[in-house]
Amino acid sequence: EAAVTQSPRSKVAVTGGKVTLSCHQTNNHDYMYWYRQDTGHGLRLIHYSYVADSTEKGDIPDGYKASRPSQENFSLILELASLSQTAVYFCASSGLGGRWQDTQYFGPGTRLLVL
Amino acid sequence: TQTVSQSDAHVTVFEGDSVELRCNYSYGGSIYLSWYIQHHGRGLQFLLKYYSGNPVVQGVNGFEAEFSKSDSSFHLRKASVHWSDSAVYFCAVSAVNNRIFFGDGTQLVVKP
Repeated sequence: EAAVTQSPRSKVAVTGGKVTLSCHQTNNHDYMYWYRQDTGHGLRLIHYSYVADSTEKGDIPDGYKASRPSQENFSLILELASLSQTAVYFCASSGLGGRWQDTQYFGPGTRLLVL
Repeated sequence: TQTVSQSDAHVTVFEGDSVELRCNYSYGGSIYLSWYIQHHGRGLQFLLKYYSGNPVVQGVNGFEAEFSKSDSSFHLRKASVHWSDSAVYFCAVSAVNNRIFFGDGTQLVVKP
C-alpha cells in the first residue's frame, strides 16, 4: 500500500526560528506536495515538485522554502517562523507515471505551533 | 482556473440516515472530480473519482457520487450512514495535465 510518512508529527517552534518538516514516500511517485491546513479550512498548496532537485511554487509560497533531494524525500523549510505559520502541514504524493490528476496519497500531518 | 465549492460547512444526521454532500465546480474543459475523506487528526484519504463514462461512480464503504455536467456538480451520497462516517469530506477538481484544487470541506457528524 502507498505510504507517506512525515516527521515530526508535532512541533513547537519559537518566532524567528528555523523549522524543517520532512516527508518520505515509498510510492515511487513523481509528484510531491506540501499543503497547509488551518482550523476549519481546506488545503492550500505551498510548494510542489515533480522531479528530484526541482521545486515549484504553489499558491502560498511566501515564507516557505522546499527541497527535493531525491524522489522519495521532500522537505519544507521555514527559515524564520512566524505566528501566522501555526497550522497543520500535510505532505502528499501522486503521479505514478507523472500525471497531475492521479490520486493523491497523504501523510498523517505535522501540527506546528509557533510561539 | 478551476474552482470547487462545497456549500455546506457542516451536516449532521443520525445513524442509518441517508446523506448527500454537495459539490459544485467551475471549469469549462475536461476535468477529474474526486472526493477525499479526512478523519480527525489524520491525513486525507481517497474515496472515489470520476473522469468519464457512467456519471455515477462507486467508492469505498458504500459511498457513491454523481456527476452532472448541466449542474456542474459532483455530489457525494450514502444511503445509510454509520457513526464511523463522521469526518470531513473534501471535493477536489483537476483539469487534465493540471494541478488539483480542493474545496473547503464539509464536516459530517453522525449521531447515534
